[in-house]
Amino acid sequence: DAKTTQPPSMDCAEGRAANLPCNHSTISGNEYVYWYRQIHSQGPQYIIHGLKNNETNEMASLIITEDRKSSTLILPHATLRDTAVYYCIVRVADSWGKLQFGAGTQVVVTP
Amino acid sequence: DAGVIQSPRHEVTEMGQEVTLRCKPISGHNSLFWYRQTMMRGLELLIYFNNNVPIDDSGMPEDRFSAKMPNASFSTLKIQPSEPRDSAVYFCASSRRSLHLNSGNTIYFGEGSWLTVV
Repeated sequence: DAKTTQPPSMDCAEGRAANLPCNHSTISGNEYVYWYRQIHSQGPQYIIHGLKNNETNEMASLIITEDRKSSTLILPHATLRDTAVYYCIVRVADSWGKLQFGAGTQVVVTP
Repeated sequence: DAGVIQSPRHEVTEMGQEVTLRCKPISGHNSLFWYRQTMMRGLELLIYFNNNVPIDDSGMPEDRFSAKMPNASFSTLKIQPSEPRDSAVYFCASSRRSLHLNSGNTIYFGEGSWLTVV
């Protein structure tokens, strides 16, 4: 599975949009981009995933560049409860399902 | 729907004792994963099963660790004998491997078992 690069940390003001970047320049055509987050003391939580089209759900939006070498997770209106470590992961959907986690981005939402 | 259920949530044990962690995956899921998380090493995949069969156990640290999945609704991770360096949070996760690739085979995690070996 392709490696991803994320900034180690970022701050965001409550109520503002949080834009989390992820680089995956070696992504293959059959690899999906996944985003998970882990709030302190809890298990990782699925947020969203996509292949090449932009995706939106009730939690966030995922914007994937046309060349698929990078993506951005957007939390439209960050709240204090969105403070967490956010992981960007790429994997082949049919690769027996395993996820390999990197270090992620520590996002702190401030009042 | 009930999520992935793990037990115990917290366990403190003495070095040398046997530890058994338990997991009940989401009903209908056919893949199950055991992860370990520490400050030093982050989230590591230990082993995963598909249709109750172990597929890849290359992440299991050593012979003291073993995992079983006797049926589709139950799995155990056993450490015998336990050592202080085994102290970590152990997560179980499950997914439903689909033939439809656009489903993405999303993996869902339990809340973890916090293990302290003294």
